[in-house]
Amino acid sequence: EVQVVESGGGLVQPGGSLRLSCAASGFTFSDHYMDWVRQAPGKGLEWVGRIRKKANSYTTEYAASVKGRFTISRDDSKNSLYLQMNSLKTEDTAVYYCVRVGSKCDLDHWGQGTLVTVSS
Amino acid sequence: DIQMTQSPSSLSASVGDRVTITCRASQGINNNLAWFQQKPGKAPKSLIYAASSLQSGVPSKFSGSGSGTDFTLTISSLQPEDFATYYCQQYKIYPITFGQGTRLEIK
Repeated sequence: EVQVVESGGGLVQPGGSLRLSCAASGFTFSDHYMDWVRQAPGKGLEWVGRIRKKANSYTTEYAASVKGRFTISRDDSKNSLYLQMNSLKTEDTAVYYCVRVGSKCDLDHWGQGTLVTVSS
Repeated sequence: DIQMTQSPSSLSASVGDRVTITCRASQGINNNLAWFQQKPGKAPKSLIYAASSLQSGVPSKFSGSGSGTDFTLTISSLQPEDFATYYCQQYKIYPITFGQGTRLEIK
C-alpha cells in the first residue's frame, strides 16, 4: 500500500524556520517526482513546489510565494522528502501535504498533512 | 500563472441527483487537468487525471470531460459520502494551480 506520512509541523514565530519531513513507503520512492501542497485554514489548495527524480537531476520548481525561502530536498536512500522553510510569515500558516506525483503527472497519493502555525 | 475558475462555488443537491461542476482555465491546457475530492479534516483524494481518466479504485459514477480551457466533473446518483469539496487542478504549466473549490452540500 502506498503511504506518505508527514511530520515536523508545529508552532513557530514569524521569521523562524522549520523543517518538514515525509516518509514514503509501499512504492519505489526514487522513481517518482514528489510535491508539497498546502492549505491555509478554511482556504483552498495551494501548490508549494516539486522535486524531480535523480534521472532529472533532482531539479526543483517552486511557487512564487515561497521561492527563495523554502527548499525541497529528498533522500532516496531513506525514502524521505523534506521541506525546509525559512523566513516564515504568518501567511505560511497551513496544513502541509506531501504528495506523490504519478506516472501521468497526476498527484495520486496524499499524506494526511502536518499543521504549521506561524504566530508570535 | 494559469488561473483556474470553478463554478459554482457551492451547490446544494439531493441524494440520487446528478450534478456537474465546471472548471475553466485562463489559457489552454490541453487535457492536463485533474479533479480532487476533499472531505472536512481529510486530505484531498485524486479522482480524475488527464481530464477524463479515472484513478484506480474510483467509482464510475465520477466522470470528467473537456479539453483546452473548459472542463466538467459529473457525479451521478449522489450518495451521502459524495458530499464534499471538489477541486480542479492544471498541470500543464508551472506553477501548478488549483481552482478555488466547489462545496457540494446536501439539500
